Amino acid sequence: NAGVTQTPKFRVLKTGQSMTLLCAQDMNHEYMYWYRQDPGMGLRLIHYSVGEGTTAKGEVPDGYNVSRLKKQNFLLGLESAAPSQTSVYFCASRDTGERLNTEAFFGQGTRLTVV
Amino acid sequence: AQSVTQPDIHITVSEGASLELRCNYSYGATPYLFWYVQSPGQGLQLLLKYFSGDTLVQGIKGFEAEFKRSQSSFNLRKPSVHWSDAAEYFCAVSGYSTLTFGKGTMLLVSP
Repeated sequence: NAGVTQTPKFRVLKTGQSMTLLCAQDMNHEYMYWYRQDPGMGLRLIHYSVGEGTTAKGEVPDGYNVSRLKKQNFLLGLESAAPSQTSVYFCASRDTGERLNTEAFFGQGTRLTVV
Repeated sequence: AQSVTQPDIHITVSEGASLELRCNYSYGATPYLFWYVQSPGQGLQLLLKYFSGDTLVQGIKGFEAEFKRSQSSFNLRKPSVHWSDAAEYFCAVSGYSTLTFGKGTMLLVSP
């Protein structure tokens, strides 16, 4: 039972390069999220999706784009990476439940370094 | 918009001693509250959750949390801490579509 799988687990980018982080979930969840985790800042929401074909901005969306073409996948893109985007990125998914009284399931994270 | 405050950045507890981690939330309606734990280099694992009903919630690994509406708090407790409990703990509140986390409390366990 895979749950939430993030690819890749580690990546080093040069400033200005682009990349896509892939999140895949096998629990048929409607909601998916991308967070970034920085020391002392907790988890901050970048973008989220409430269903296939939908996306919405979170707390820190600048410099990122997302797509949810298939229900099970949620992609996070960096078009032109900057050192400020060095972080650990977590994907999560959750079922809708009754007014979102459901837990979120997290991937293992992607550690991204931009040099 | 909802928010979560975890006042303590670090806490050190002796092994075998009791633990309480503080969490205060802000949300206009009935909150759905969660505590997650993160071991080094790992993702987040759910410890417990509160939706309604009994204000004292039991979770995994011997943890419990008490919801106090009057204080807007959801503090996490454990009667006797084990060295394996050393980790970072996050409190979270569920809003209309999103899940908002506090900045976390790092628990250090001394021998």
